[in-house]
Amino acid sequence: EDKVVQSPLSLVVHEGDTVTLNCSYEVTNFRSLLWYKQEKKAPTFLFMLTSSGIEKKSGRLSSILDKKELSSILNITATQTGDSAIYLCAVSGGSNYKLTFGKGTLLTVNP
Amino acid sequence: GAVVSQHPSRVICKSGTSVKIECRSLDFQATTMFWYRQFPKKSLMLMATSNEGSKATYEQGVEKDKFLINHASLTLSTLTVTSAHPEDSSFYICSARVEGSAYTGTQYFGPGTRLTVL
Repeated sequence: EDKVVQSPLSLVVHEGDTVTLNCSYEVTNFRSLLWYKQEKKAPTFLFMLTSSGIEKKSGRLSSILDKKELSSILNITATQTGDSAIYLCAVSGGSNYKLTFGKGTLLTVNP
Repeated sequence: GAVVSQHPSRVICKSGTSVKIECRSLDFQATTMFWYRQFPKKSLMLMATSNEGSKATYEQGVEKDKFLINHASLTLSTLTVTSAHPEDSSFYICSARVEGSAYTGTQYFGPGTRLTVL
């Protein structure tokens, strides 16, 4: 059975801090690893990492895939209160690209 | 790009009635869409995979006669919760899978539907 484990489950920081969120996985026929941000509604897409694209960056957010260690990290630098959300890691595998989600990391950024 | 809409965003219904939720990919075609359910403070639970032009594939433990899925076109999938009961109250989220691009396999999510069954 495919498995995705995220850590920490929750994190409280102050504005301006840098955070690193972790995701490890066990999946059959790995295709890609995706990071999503979920605030009050449904998840919004952040990054997709594959064997051919193991590092992505967008503004203050960046992510790296370590295929050897079967893990990924999501970094957020100079955090802002608007970064407060649940960050979900999901792994796509199998023939129909089904996503297996981790339980998420609840990030709270205090002013 | 890659926008997915969902309607309605919120619905309250009486026990025993049926509720239909629509999921549309607005700017791309999606052969495959997915339906998830999310309980408070829990992660997304995949209910079923919706395949355009063929039957949906349900996850173990999900009643296919209770959660009817129709994927009649490349931009629309519907989920009908039949004879809804209070335990069906939940946040239902659909996603559409991108194909044929550098982001093949990425799922973009609709905004979700909050169902409350009285």
